[in-house]
Amino acid sequence: GIQVEQSPPDLILQEGANSTLRCNFSDSVNNLQWFHQNPWGQLINLFYIPSGTKQNGRLSATTVATERYSLLYISSSQTTDSGVYFCAVVFVTDSWGKLQFGAGTQVVVTP
Amino acid sequence: KAGVTQTPRYLIKTRGQQVTLSCSPISGHRSVSWYQQTPGQGLQFLFEYFSETQRNKGNFPGRFSGRQFSNSRSEMNVSTLELGDSALYLCASSPRGVGSTGELFFGEGSRLTVL
Repeated sequence: GIQVEQSPPDLILQEGANSTLRCNFSDSVNNLQWFHQNPWGQLINLFYIPSGTKQNGRLSATTVATERYSLLYISSSQTTDSGVYFCAVVFVTDSWGKLQFGAGTQVVVTP
Repeated sequence: KAGVTQTPRYLIKTRGQQVTLSCSPISGHRSVSWYQQTPGQGLQFLFEYFSETQRNKGNFPGRFSGRQFSNSRSEMNVSTLELGDSALYLCASSPRGVGSTGELFFGEGSRLTVL
């Protein structure tokens, strides 16, 4: 199956700092999403971004599908940004798709 | 528009028992996929159902099964529970399926503890 690697595994930021999270994948993918897992476990959609660049407030994401990576940018971080960020890619096997997650980046934003 | 609803949110079972979890997708979505999250293995794909048919399955033993009803609600069942089945079980809904373009939307999860 496809390999999805996220880096760094852990990130500690001071409030107001900027950061970049990376997601590398080993093969062509149908789509890619970034999620933030809240303290109760729910995966909150951040971006659906199979290619290109998108922005939503202080967050933005870029996927370069030909080079098999995606980046998530957090600017002016706030304590509410703390949590685990996952990228997930869809690849097709046996005519149907499977969602493969990376291991996540644990972000802690300190006041 | 209501989101994805999973029940129950929390449950405790003992080894050897079985458990059934439910997932109601967003209205109009025909695909429900299931995932297991554990500290050791991370988030893993279990299976996907689309219009009452299983489309794809991850690498899990036969004790893990599922089904989908005509209203797109899905259930997953785990029989003969083992301690290692303790996990957060998440389901996701999408209009056209995991392999298609478009977002997947997740429920809040069912947290299973096996004693």
